[in-house]
Amino acid sequence: AQSVSQHNHHVILSEAASLELGCNYSYGGTVNLFWYVQYPGQHLQLLLKYFSGDPLVKGIKGFEAEFIKSKFSFNLRKPSVQWSDTAEYFCAVNARTGANNLFFGTGTRLTVIP
Amino acid sequence: EPEVTQTPSHQVTQMGQEVILRCVPISNHLYFYWYRQILGQKVEFLVSFYNNEISEKSEIFDDQFSVERPDGSNFTLKIRSTKLEDSAMYFCASSEDQGAPGYTFGSGTRLTVV
Repeated sequence: AQSVSQHNHHVILSEAASLELGCNYSYGGTVNLFWYVQYPGQHLQLLLKYFSGDPLVKGIKGFEAEFIKSKFSFNLRKPSVQWSDTAEYFCAVNARTGANNLFFGTGTRLTVIP
Repeated sequence: EPEVTQTPSHQVTQMGQEVILRCVPISNHLYFYWYRQILGQKVEFLVSFYNNEISEKSEIFDDQFSVERPDGSNFTLKIRSTKLEDSAMYFCASSEDQGAPGYTFGSGTRLTVV
């Protein structure tokens, strides 16, 4: 079965600090990888996704993530966070073949202090 | 931008009562999903639906749960006899094809069972 681990439960940063949120997955086959963001009171929004090709993926709002196959990781990064990045961030994975459902990590709450 | 619409945004129900959560997926999407998020926990897959039948379901989706597409636009989740532990945020999602890449999530329905 697939599983996703996000080791940082709550991260607090000052504006302009750099961000890296960890995500590791467990699955024996080929996967698609995603990062979603959930702003307070809002729905899940897709930040970026990886299917194949360049392992460094750029998403919206200046976020990027790097797929490192050997480490089963897909860490999310942003060089300089803003107060508006305060949100919950979820890493998710689904199998490239077979069932279509997403497996989510437990999420990381990011608080950016102005 | 097309949206997935969920109603109501918040529902309070007494234990043992039946609830129906409603979703209007994006009109040209063919695959529909329900996920839930218990407070403080990860987002969990419940069920996927395609061509008027369930295509995948998780262990959570037991006999108390059912889904239906009663007309061409709505997609409903029914919980037959609610339990306290059903309290959660329920997210509907839809996708155009069998690939999570196309997922669009709704804003969720917060179900509180008292």
